[in-house]
Parts: sequence; structure tokens; C-alpha cells
Amino acid sequence: KAGVTQTPRYLIKTRGQQVTLSCSPISGHRSVSWYQQTPGQGLQFLFEYFSETQRNKGNFPGRFSGRQFSNSRSEMNVSTLELGDSALYLCASSPSGHLQETQYFGPGTRLLVL
Amino acid sequence: SQELEQSPQSLIVQEGKNLTINCTSSKTLYGLYWYKQKYGEGLIFLMMLQKGGEEKSHEKITAKLDEKKQQSSLHITASQPSHAGIYLCGADRSSGDKLTFGTGTRLAVRP
Repeated sequence: KAGVTQTPRYLIKTRGQQVTLSCSPISGHRSVSWYQQTPGQGLQFLFEYFSETQRNKGNFPGRFSGRQFSNSRSEMNVSTLELGDSALYLCASSPSGHLQETQYFGPGTRLLVL
Repeated sequence: SQELEQSPQSLIVQEGKNLTINCTSSKTLYGLYWYKQKYGEGLIFLMMLQKGGEEKSHEKITAKLDEKKQQSSLHITASQPSHAGIYLCGADRSSGDKLTFGTGTRLAVRP
């Protein structure tokens, strides 16, 4: 099976702009989770989608949003970008998102906000 | 404070040497995952441990879970340059949030 894919791989934006990142999960996986990784805060959970519904949400401001489509592909959007949003954004997929179910990660999208 | 603490934060070993990385949780562990990350790339799944006392091995990497101590260790035998990278432990949270991750251990292996 193909792994988790993320597009684009790299992105440069300026403050105030918005950005949309895309994630295609492993075929058959219905749960998609998003994480932000920064040198200062490490890896932090953003939100999880399952069957087109947001099921869990981490502690991030409302500028961070996402959605999931019927084919389980997911997008996350960040509006009004801030310098601190520069990070590696990772998505992970699993069959159903249950506890003790392994998540498989994509290669990430590196976002730089200038 | 971090929910998952890893030690050491960084490690440089000579090729062929053994090494151990520890991950200690301040909360009850429901599932403990080990991932490896090359700089700036995604996470590669290594192993998952579910039960106290469980031990799993893959090639030269062995992971153990001590549920009572809320701690897991990752041991690499006869390290190779290909083992270099950042090792991250992650844990399931009962609250429903997805994985919470440790601070990471950066490993360098000198040829």
C-alpha cells in the first residue's frame, strides 16, 4: 500500500496570509490526525478527523481548522499566519483512530512564515 | 512540565556500540509508541507496546515497557550509522487527544 502523502512539501508565506495543506491517508484508513512540530514545543496534536467529522481537537487557536472529505483525504487551513506558525506539519492516518492503534505519518509539509 | 520525558536528549556513540534511550511518563500509559525521525522528515513507526512487561524486537532494536514505573526503554545493539536520527516516544491519552510525544532523543553514530 502507498503510504501517507502530504502536499506541498515546502511552503513559504508571509504574515497575514492563509495556507491550506493536504493529506492523503493510507488506503482504507479513515482517521486522519494533524500535528505541528517546532523546535521549541516539539510535536503537538492539532486535531483528528474521522468520517468527515472532527473528533478530537488539541489546544490551538481557531485560526487552525481542518476538514475531511468522503474519500478520507484531509486538509488543514491556517488563517492570518503568524511568524510562530512556522513549523513542520505532519499528518498521520490509522484505520479507525482507536486507542492503541498505530498511526502512520506522512513526510510533512514545512511551512515558513516570513 | 512535559508529560513524557526522554533521556538522554542527545547521544553520540561509536559505531558498533550499544545504547539505551528512556521514556518516562507522568501519567498512566495506555499504549507506548516508538518512532524514528530523520531531520525535517516524517516519523517512521518502529514499535508499539501495550502491556506491562511487554518487550518487542525488530532487527537490532528492542523496546520494553515497565507499566509500574510508567517507563519504556529503547535499546539498540551494535549501532550503525543508519540508526542515526531522532527517536520519539509517544503515548495514547485517555482524554481522546491523539498521541502526546516526548521531547525526543537525537542520536548520532560515528563511523
